[in-house]
Amino acid sequence: GEDVEQSLFLSVREGDSSVINCTYTDSSSTYLYWYKQEPGAGLQLLTYIFSNMDMKQDQRLTVLLNKKDKHLSLRIADTQTGDSAIYFCAEINTGTASKLTFGTGTRLQVTL
Amino acid sequence: DTGVSQDPRHKITKRGQNVTFRCDPISEHNRLYWYRQTLGQGPEFLTYFQNEAQLEKSRLLSDRFSAERPKGSFSTLEIQRTEQGDSAMYLCASSPGEGATYNEQFFGPGTRLTVL
Repeated sequence: GEDVEQSLFLSVREGDSSVINCTYTDSSSTYLYWYKQEPGAGLQLLTYIFSNMDMKQDQRLTVLLNKKDKHLSLRIADTQTGDSAIYFCAEINTGTASKLTFGTGTRLQVTL
Repeated sequence: DTGVSQDPRHKITKRGQNVTFRCDPISEHNRLYWYRQTLGQGPEFLTYFQNEAQLEKSRLLSDRFSAERPKGSFSTLEIQRTEQGDSAMYLCASSPGEGATYNEQFFGPGTRLTVL
């Protein structure tokens, strides 16, 4: 079955870059996503990458996908205090189901 | 506001009681999903609807759980004879369905259930 894993916690200084990592097991994943969850708020889609892409850049966000190693990363440039949140990677295999499989989430703490 | 809405936002109940949650998806979204999120975990899929048809149910959805989407618009999730292990955040999401570019699911704010 599908499994998605993330490290639990990351602390960075304001202005530095953050890199959040994720590994997944389903080689049939079609899309991979990064969601952000702030306290008391719902999940917000930050960005996504199609499985035939290696990289995607969207303003301060860069997503890297290594299909061979089934490794996904999210880089946030110039990290701000407002970026403090829990970040979830998720994958979907549209061939068999439309459900998202989420990782356990990485809590990003941005310090001054 | 045209996002996904959920009601209530918080529910406290005693063990053994029945509870029902409502989700209103984004207008004209064909697909509606229910997820459950416990503390420190990512959301876990429960079930989803394509219009009014319930197409998939997770093994997490025990016999005490039932979901409906009678007219293909709003959905309800009922939990009968609640147990303390049902305490969680219940999230609803919707998506345009077939033909959507990247299958984005738009999430509501969730209903936090506490079973005493």
